[in-house]
Amino acid sequence: KAGVTQTPRYLIKTRGQQVTLSCSPISGHRSVSWYQQTPGQGLQFLFEYFSETQRNKGNFPGRFSGRQFSNSRSEMNVSTLELGDSALYLCASSLAGPNMNTPNNEQFFGPGTRLTVL
Amino acid sequence: LAKTTQPISMDSYEGQEVNITCSHNNIATNDYITWYQQFPSQGPRFIIQGYKTKVTNEVASLFIPADRKSSTLSLPRVSLSDTAVYYCLSSGGYQKVTFGIGTKLQVIP
Repeated sequence: KAGVTQTPRYLIKTRGQQVTLSCSPISGHRSVSWYQQTPGQGLQFLFEYFSETQRNKGNFPGRFSGRQFSNSRSEMNVSTLELGDSALYLCASSLAGPNMNTPNNEQFFGPGTRLTVL
Repeated sequence: LAKTTQPISMDSYEGQEVNITCSHNNIATNDYITWYQQFPSQGPRFIIQGYKTKVTNEVASLFIPADRKSSTLSLPRVSLSDTAVYYCLSSGGYQKVTFGIGTKLQVIP
């Protein structure tokens, strides 16, 4: 079974631009979550999509948005990029969702997209 | 919002047993405790999960006391390849998931 894939792996953008990141979950997983990871803040939850609906959202500004398609693939968009948006963006898929901390519902993470904003 | 507390970092020599304790005072009745491991430039990966008492797999053991307000991840005879960040996860119910900063384990030769 193929793992979670994320594209692109690396991105360099300038302030004010926007960026779209893509995530393909493990086949059969309907939940896709996005996380931002920075050295100072650790791993922070952005949002979760389940069956094309955003079910849960972290404490990030509206510049961060996402969507999920009928095949469970998900995209994340960041508009008006700021220097502080430089981070590793991780996508994770699971059967039931990250807030269901129950057996056999582990999250499977992709390799991440390294975004650098100049 | 449920919160977990772990030591920020730990050092250990190769071959030693390492115990990382996590406190999760607001854990919900139905929640399980899950630990993830993350190597540099990779996404976290699941290592072990438990509800109470003790769970053991080929990688680690997880000890959970009766009150479930804390848990201890035990890594037997660590090697250099166990150098990673370890996250304790307890969502505390239908709330936003938080991994926190985790515990950075450095294994020394």
